[in-house]
Amino acid sequence: EVRLVESGGGLVQPGGSLRLSCAASGFTLSSYEMNWVRQAPGKGLEWISNISSSAINTHYADSVKGRFTISRDNAKNSVYLQMNSLRAEDTAIYYCASGDLYFRHWGQGTLVTVSS
Amino acid sequence: DIQMTQSPSTLSANVGDKVTLTCRASQTIRSWLAWYQQKPGKAPHLLIFKASILESGVPSRFSGSGSGTEFTLTISSLQPDDFATYYCQQYNSYPWTFGQGTKVEIK
Repeated sequence: EVRLVESGGGLVQPGGSLRLSCAASGFTLSSYEMNWVRQAPGKGLEWISNISSSAINTHYADSVKGRFTISRDNAKNSVYLQMNSLRAEDTAIYYCASGDLYFRHWGQGTLVTVSS
Repeated sequence: DIQMTQSPSTLSANVGDKVTLTCRASQTIRSWLAWYQQKPGKAPHLLIFKASILESGVPSRFSGSGSGTEFTLTISSLQPDDFATYYCQQYNSYPWTFGQGTKVEIK
């Protein structure tokens, strides 16, 4: 069974940093592009970043470009999202999802709250 | 960026009804469109990709159509498990973007 499990969310002050992790099991993560998608409370979905299977290519939404960095460790079957200079508007559930174009497998999400 | 607009925002329907949800793109996305279902407190679930290809395991009452800028998701006979929010997503060009969602609720 394919499983993605996010961790690392929590409460952080504006301007702070967090590092999210996504651990995969039941499939070989190294074969897939991976994404982060977020959902603010009561709002819709927003794709924010992806990384190619080899980690050579990354893409970001303008809303996070320059502040967030996606990375992966295929040996650990994991993907990461380093989030710096966090703002109140970054408050959301953060999902990792597999797929190069659309998202076939999703984790359960981890909640990030940016507040003083 | 390509803007995705879904209509209606909310749809009230009865079990057994045929329902059609619409998604419009601000520019052509050919057939590079996916549909997802999301239930409260859960992650989204892929239903359809490339506008009309049903994901494995998704019931055949779901179907998708369209190309260019206009797309539809049809549920041929609404079931109790189908009451949820549905999102379209374009993957024609970065950044991948979603519609704002259509909530299907019980009438």
